[in-house]
Amino acid sequence: NAGVTQTPKFRVLKTGQSMTLLCAQDMNHEYMYWYRQDPGMGLRLIHYSVGEGTTAKGEVPDGYNVSRLKKQNFLLGLESAAPSQTSVYFCASSPDEKLFFGSGTQLSVL
Amino acid sequence: KNEVEQSPQNLTAQEGEFITINCSYSVGISALHWLQQHPGGGIVSLFMLSSGKKKHGRLIATINIQEKHSSLHITASHPRDSAVYICAVRDYRDDKIIFGKGTRLHILP
Repeated sequence: NAGVTQTPKFRVLKTGQSMTLLCAQDMNHEYMYWYRQDPGMGLRLIHYSVGEGTTAKGEVPDGYNVSRLKKQNFLLGLESAAPSQTSVYFCASSPDEKLFFGSGTQLSVL
Repeated sequence: KNEVEQSPQNLTAQEGEFITINCSYSVGISALHWLQQHPGGGIVSLFMLSSGKKKHGRLIATINIQEKHSSLHITASHPRDSAVYICAVRDYRDDKIIFGKGTRLHILP
């Protein structure tokens, strides 16, 4: 049982490049969430999913897309990265009420 | 206005002091979480509450659903308790989990 695994842990992109962050959980959780954490802002919800094949927008969805084709995986995509997307990204999953977090992805966009 | 407000934003205390961190929220919730994040570290879930009170070691969390308020208490604080403590609520309408901005706690030896 590996819990919640995020890959990659670090990434540097140039403006305009694209990338995908992967969140994988092996606990059969229905709910999965993507957040970004910026100094002084706390954790802000980007997108979330309440089950396989479903996605919904959070507080700051612009510039990001997500997919949940398989229950265990929640992908966060940046189609054309911008410096404003420099942040630490956290994925979380939840069976119902408890929360489990990945270790984070530090992304820098130059 | 943020849906989840925490106070104080920063707190410095001496080792051994009793610590209280507060969380107020404005939405209807199905659960409230208290989380801990050490500098440069991951996020760990401390408590999940839907009513009443929970205790784990030196940590106590309470929630008042009617007043939409929760508190996290630390008894006999220790320098290793220094971390950011975060309150989060699950909105019962759409299952969004919304976070407060966190309280940065520094316990001096």
